[in-house]
Amino acid sequence: KQEVTQIPAALSVPEGENLVLNCSFTDSAIYNLQWFRQDPGKGLTSLLLIQSSQREQTSGRLNASLDKSSGRSTLYIAASQPGDSATYLCAVRAGNNRKLIWGLGTSLAVNP
Amino acid sequence: NAGVTQTPKFQVLKTGQSMTLQCAQDMNHEYMSWYRQDPGMGLRLIHYSVGAGITDQGEVPNGYNVSRSTTEDFPLRLLSAAPSQTSVYFCASSYSRGDGTQYFGPGTRLTVL
Repeated sequence: KQEVTQIPAALSVPEGENLVLNCSFTDSAIYNLQWFRQDPGKGLTSLLLIQSSQREQTSGRLNASLDKSSGRSTLYIAASQPGDSATYLCAVRAGNNRKLIWGLGTSLAVNP
Repeated sequence: NAGVTQTPKFQVLKTGQSMTLQCAQDMNHEYMSWYRQDPGMGLRLIHYSVGAGITDQGEVPNGYNVSRSTTEDFPLRLLSAAPSQTSVYFCASSYSRGDGTQYFGPGTRLTVL
């Protein structure tokens, strides 16, 4: 059974730091992996989608990598800002029905 | 494009009442789904649809019904509300059966007393 884990559950950093959020999954047979951001009381916003054949995707200060063989993905945030404070979730799409399997998220606080 | 819209944003029900959560998207997406989000449990799939007229159950379908008469709309019906259904409900859509980016609505916060 595919399981997705995100560590740490919470992270607090000073503004300007480069940081890495981790996502691990137990079965390498995935179609894609997606990183989302969720602000308190809001819906989820897709940040990056990495197809199974890809190794990384970049958008602005965000870079996501995928290593299927080790069952890991990282989300790198460069020069963090207070506006980056949110919960970051990763989800893998897997199985015959291509459902999304979710991690519980990392709650990030960037302090001015 | 409005993207994925959900109504209402907030709702309070009494045990045993029924209601429908509305979801619509204007991106011509085939794939739509409903999730509930509870603290410590993450997002759980309730029902999903791969196109008009086709629906299927997710992880936690009991107590909920869905239908998909058009590509745009995917309502979620609570048949007889229970306190265990207190949650935040999200509707999501994507272009294909799950290969593309998933877009989420703003959510409906439901409290069942």
